Amino acid sequence: DARVTQTPRDKVTEMGQEVTMRCQPILGHNTVFWYRQTMMQGLELLAYFRNRAPLDDSGMPKDRFSAEMPDATLATLKIQPSEPRDSAVYFCASGVGSGELFFGEGSRLTVL
Amino acid sequence: QKEVEQDPGPLSVPEGAIVSLNCTYSNSAFQYFMWYRQYSRKGPELLMYTYSSGNKEDGRFTAQVDKSSKYISLFIRDSQPSDSATYLCAMRSAGSNYKLTFGKGTLLTVNP
Repeated sequence: DARVTQTPRDKVTEMGQEVTMRCQPILGHNTVFWYRQTMMQGLELLAYFRNRAPLDDSGMPKDRFSAEMPDATLATLKIQPSEPRDSAVYFCASGVGSGELFFGEGSRLTVL
Repeated sequence: QKEVEQDPGPLSVPEGAIVSLNCTYSNSAFQYFMWYRQYSRKGPELLMYTYSSGNKEDGRFTAQVDKSSKYISLFIRDSQPSDSATYLCAMRSAGSNYKLTFGKGTLLTVNP
């Protein structure tokens, strides 16, 4: 059963700490998205990649957030330094072509 | 004004009721319309996918798109307690590199 795998599922950290979230897209999927979900804003697109190349990261605060795909099986989202306003659920999703997007179960981040 | 507006609810209905969920949008370039279902502490999963205007039916679910009014709907017939979830509309334009814009979601509870 192919699925998008995200780690960690839950992370509690203190303000100023570095946070790294990881995503393993479904094998064969060439498009990877990072979304952030909050009650206030809903799902917001942070960045996405096609064939490992970044296509758009305009939704991401550049001063503290970075997204990379070091290889086809791993996407990372890093926050350094983290702030309380970064508390949210971060979702990774993968797809191929114009078809369905498959979401992971999310990484729930709490920054104290 | 956000590009996609969705009433967050919450919506509570008895089992067997017909449920109507709606979104409005402002970007006339949107051509692909989706409904995602999200259970608590899970990622969104695709429920319905439609292109341009018209209706699409899948079992108890019917998706409608009215591009002239910039309005989309999801109808659930014979609603079941297992339908209790958050429903998110999503849409994209043809030249968007498959980037989706989501509504904030409507929380639905179906009471047995």
